[in-house]
Amino acid sequence: DAGVTQSPTHLIKTRGQQVTLRCSPKSGHDTVSWYQQALGQGPQFIFQYYEEEERQRGNFPDRFSGHQFPNYSSELNVNALLLGDSALYLCASSFFTRRANEKLFFGSGTQLSVL
Amino acid sequence: DAKTTQPNSMESNEEEPVHLPCNHSTISGTDYIHWYRQLPSQGPEYVIHGLTSNVNNRMASLAIAEDRKSSTLILHRATLRDAAVYYCILRDEGNEKLTFGTGTRLTIIP
Repeated sequence: DAGVTQSPTHLIKTRGQQVTLRCSPKSGHDTVSWYQQALGQGPQFIFQYYEEEERQRGNFPDRFSGHQFPNYSSELNVNALLLGDSALYLCASSFFTRRANEKLFFGSGTQLSVL
Repeated sequence: DAKTTQPNSMESNEEEPVHLPCNHSTISGTDYIHWYRQLPSQGPEYVIHGLTSNVNNRMASLAIAEDRKSSTLILHRATLRDAAVYYCILRDEGNEKLTFGTGTRLTIIP
């Protein structure tokens, strides 16, 4: 049973470019969340997707957008990259229960460097 | 979101128990207490969660204070593989996100 898979593992971009990161959830899961983790910090919630719709969003600008496909996989898109977007981007999957005792399963992340 | 406070770092000897504290004085009655850990070069990993009663699983135990304003994650016999950043997180019903702090960096001494 494959866990959460993310691609690519590493990516280097320059300022102003656009990037797309991909995530496949754990088998059976229908909900995908994205997190940004800057060096030395805890992950910060970007947004969550369920039924191909954005359900909740953290404090991130509109440059960050996402998509969920019918097979529950997801993409995170970041436009007009800034140096400050350099971070580890984590994908987490779960069942959509809205229950506070639901566990999240994280992938190993995509390390994005913006030069 | 209710906030948690954890020590920045802790050290423990291998094969000894480890007690990782977390303060959450503003916890609400419906907040669950979750613990995740993040090993080097990996994403966070679920460890344990609880609401009011102490909890045990194969990875750890969670001891929750009677007033719920603090909790302690207990690793019964630390190994080198337990070296990680441990995050204590409060999560309320209907809230889809996890709000991470900076966690406690646990170092295991051989």
